[in-house]
Amino acid sequence: QSGVTQPPSASGTPGQTVTISCSGSSSNIGSNTVNWYQQVPGTAPKLLIYTNNQRPSGVPDRFSGSKSGTAASLAISGLQSADEADYYCAAWDDSLNAFVFGGGTKLTVL
Amino acid sequence: QVHLQESGPGLVKPSGTLSLTCAVSGGSISSRSWWTWVRQSPGKGLEWIGEIYHSGRIGYSPSLKSRVTMSVDRSMNQFSLKLSSVTAADTAMYYCARRHDNGEYFDIWGQGTMVAVSS
Repeated sequence: QSGVTQPPSASGTPGQTVTISCSGSSSNIGSNTVNWYQQVPGTAPKLLIYTNNQRPSGVPDRFSGSKSGTAASLAISGLQSADEADYYCAAWDDSLNAFVFGGGTKLTVL
Repeated sequence: QVHLQESGPGLVKPSGTLSLTCAVSGGSISSRSWWTWVRQSPGKGLEWIGEIYHSGRIGYSPSLKSRVTMSVDRSMNQFSLKLSSVTAADTAMYYCARRHDNGEYFDIWGQGTMVAVSS
């Protein structure tokens, strides 16, 4: 049972902006940083956003993250077909003493 | 550039023990990093199994704690996962990953290795 919740799916057309939400609690997102991972089908996850809103080297600035209270979101602007993937949020949970992942959001570019 | 590579049997019998190794190249396993295992059941999301520091400090998922053992081999620059009493529910892609000890994110991932539990 995941301690953070994501919508199972999201979609958009090329060029649009899509936002994926991640809802948690005071024991995880509310008190720790949120990180986002992108997983193209058949490949390993890749760090996309760390510490709420930081981009690793090589990640386009079309990807941005934010956090407020016990919720976080990932925004993808200028949507491209290459952005089709599963996106996971994750955070440390102080109550579980474990990292928790959201269930993942499958992004479809129409 | 640190690279991680998982290895181990692709098939384990029910009630047996799953054993995987993650080889670290391009860097030292004794660096300021936590070495992590994450798994993904077919068609499902990511699940954190646990992590280990080179000193031996560990953290395990509460749901798997009773069956998990992790270890570090500094001489071989690798770390390992053992999961005992496996069932079909443990069939998954197993990934190793790195987490800096000053961050809460996994910045480097192995390609993953698929393990099936079946007789």
